[in-house]
Amino acid sequence: DAGITQSPRHKVTETGTPVTLRCHQTENHRYMYWYRQDPGHGLRLIHYSYGVKDTDKGEVSDGYSVSRSKTEDFLLTLESATSSQTSVYFCAISETDLAKNIQYFGAGTRLSVL
Amino acid sequence: AQKVTQAQTEISVVEKEDVTLDCVYETRDTTYYLFWYKQPPSGELVFLIRRNSFDEQNEISGRYSWNFQKSTSSFNFTITASQVVDSAVYFCALSGSARQLTFGSGTQLTVLP
Repeated sequence: DAGITQSPRHKVTETGTPVTLRCHQTENHRYMYWYRQDPGHGLRLIHYSYGVKDTDKGEVSDGYSVSRSKTEDFLLTLESATSSQTSVYFCAISETDLAKNIQYFGAGTRLSVL
Repeated sequence: AQKVTQAQTEISVVEKEDVTLDCVYETRDTTYYLFWYKQPPSGELVFLIRRNSFDEQNEISGRYSWNFQKSTSSFNFTITASQVVDSAVYFCALSGSARQLTFGSGTQLTVLP
């Protein structure tokens, strides 16, 4: 199994509060991704990173920010959580070599915004 | 823009039956990759297979097989002699020149004993 740890695994928070989810990898992969999973939508990309301090937006980036100060850590922040951000969040990693571009996923974080 | 369609929302079969999960994709990229992932009830996402757009050979891995047809933009997944442990949500996904994955909405497979 790829060495990906997401924390926390579960979180309940209130509308309007800031929330930070952490993804930590031990594989030294360059690429990291944050997805959210909602019924009927599969997984949708929020943000991704292609190196330290290099990030870009995905399909559903509104209301989210990310940071990557170290290769191994990719943080997802909800500045002011809303009920529409209740979801399961997955982190993924992949290698630089496009021929090896397989994304491996963490166990997920279940977030409830009340 | 890329799109992946999994028209079968839910499939239910009896153990030992064969089952095929459909996946149709759209992309303008000439080089792209197709994937299948499995999400068992425990919730993790398990990588099953990746195919690139230049390799249309079908692939078999044990009870699993995949049929890639560029002419119909399809990448279907067949489980032979299904087992209860195959019960899961299966996702088809696509990546092109940009590495991001575009997922289908998933097919919930239930295998009944």
